[in-house]
Amino acid sequence: EAQVTQNPRYLITVTGKKLTVTCSQNMNHEYMSWYRQDPGLGLRQIYYSMNVEVTDKGDVPEGYKVSRKEKRNFPLILESPSPNQTSLYFCASSLSAGWAKNIQYFGAGTRLSVL
Amino acid sequence: AQSVTQPDIHITVSEGASLELRCNYSYGATPYLFWYVQSPGQGLQLLLKYFSGDTLVQGIKGFEAEFKRSQSSFNLRKPSVHWSDAAEYFCAVPEGGSQGNLIFGKGTKLSVKP
Repeated sequence: EAQVTQNPRYLITVTGKKLTVTCSQNMNHEYMSWYRQDPGLGLRQIYYSMNVEVTDKGDVPEGYKVSRKEKRNFPLILESPSPNQTSLYFCASSLSAGWAKNIQYFGAGTRLSVL
Repeated sequence: AQSVTQPDIHITVSEGASLELRCNYSYGATPYLFWYVQSPGQGLQLLLKYFSGDTLVQGIKGFEAEFKRSQSSFNLRKPSVHWSDAAEYFCAVPEGGSQGNLIFGKGTKLSVKP
């Protein structure tokens, strides 16, 4: 079954404690992306990756890091989380960043609370 | 820059009533357009998409959307809403019109009254 899998689904942490949210897709997609969703703000893109070892900033990259060492995985790293990073996070993937035939698939989300 | 506007933050309809969710975009040419649905506790699922051709597109779960170039709109409709349609709906457009990162509207939350 085609899937984008995020872990963990729920996470409560404290300010400054490094954490990683994993994202894995089994569709051999080139393009992967991270979003955060906040009430009244919709989805905002954090980082995206066009392919292995190619990453770029989205609209709200501050406080986040990513890496793309393998095609299937795209972890989101918060080196020193702060309360303003409390949010719902989504990972997504698509065949490529060209849209002619490509649909973006989303993970189920990770709800993060930073105390 | 590309933008997507969903004017309604929250809509409540009665079960069995018709539904229309509004979406307006800003782009010089005709962009690709998408509607996604997010059910409670779930990720986003694609409802339908418009690339070109017929301006009325059919999607899953009985939804349809109509592209109107003159109004820069891509409104989502359903003739008869079911309680299971209660969710948040997002309109989206690629930042390059036909490629690139997706720009999402802020979403419209749909509540369904019994």
